Amino acid sequence: GAVVSQHPSWVICKSGTSVKIECRSLDFQATTMFWYRQFPKQSLMLMATSNEGSKATYEQGVEKDKFLINHASLTLSTLTVTSAHPEDSSFYICSARGTGDDSPLHFGNGTRLTVT
Amino acid sequence: AQKITQTQPGMFVQEKEAVTLDCTYDTSDPSYGLFWYKQPSSGEMIFLIYQGSYDQQNATEGRYSLNFQKARKSANLVISASQLGDSAMYFCAMGRKGDKIIFGKGTRLHILP
Repeated sequence: GAVVSQHPSWVICKSGTSVKIECRSLDFQATTMFWYRQFPKQSLMLMATSNEGSKATYEQGVEKDKFLINHASLTLSTLTVTSAHPEDSSFYICSARGTGDDSPLHFGNGTRLTVT
Repeated sequence: AQKITQTQPGMFVQEKEAVTLDCTYDTSDPSYGLFWYKQPSSGEMIFLIYQGSYDQQNATEGRYSLNFQKARKSANLVISASQLGDSAMYFCAMGRKGDKIIFGKGTRLHILP
């Protein structure tokens, strides 16, 4: 149980274009999802908390107009990297808490974004 | 503010030996959870073990155990009888109940044959 699916697993795009990444909870409802970013050989940095039916909460230093988050249903959150630039190239990984306060984060398999 | 510290950037351990990965944390919250995740080279995050701040006993999951010392604010992961497949990046993480989780910088574990 508690499977999170993330799509696509990798994407290459040209500078200036936008890329949408989907995160789905397959067998549970997730009112809250979390988006992380990971640079090579570094830790996961929390970008934002995605709340179903309301605006996302962004961490300090994360551009909300650059990284658009939409949590339209209890099973789907999307992250759109707008006007992507090479410095946006990174590994993006979503996660959702399972049911219960003590449940861990369940992660998608991540999306490797390369902006050329 | 919450903070997670992993002081071992890398470790080399002989196969079948036990290994301890260090983690210390800082928080002012009275209630919190501590997590360990494994990240192989493929990138996925694999949940290993959880310890609640009010749990009286140390958590165990198969070959994984969490050495929780609340007064010292440490939550070390112990892997018994290490295997070649244990080679990966290991992250310690912390979060309040139902809330976001923050991660330490990780420890890269290499198991030697």
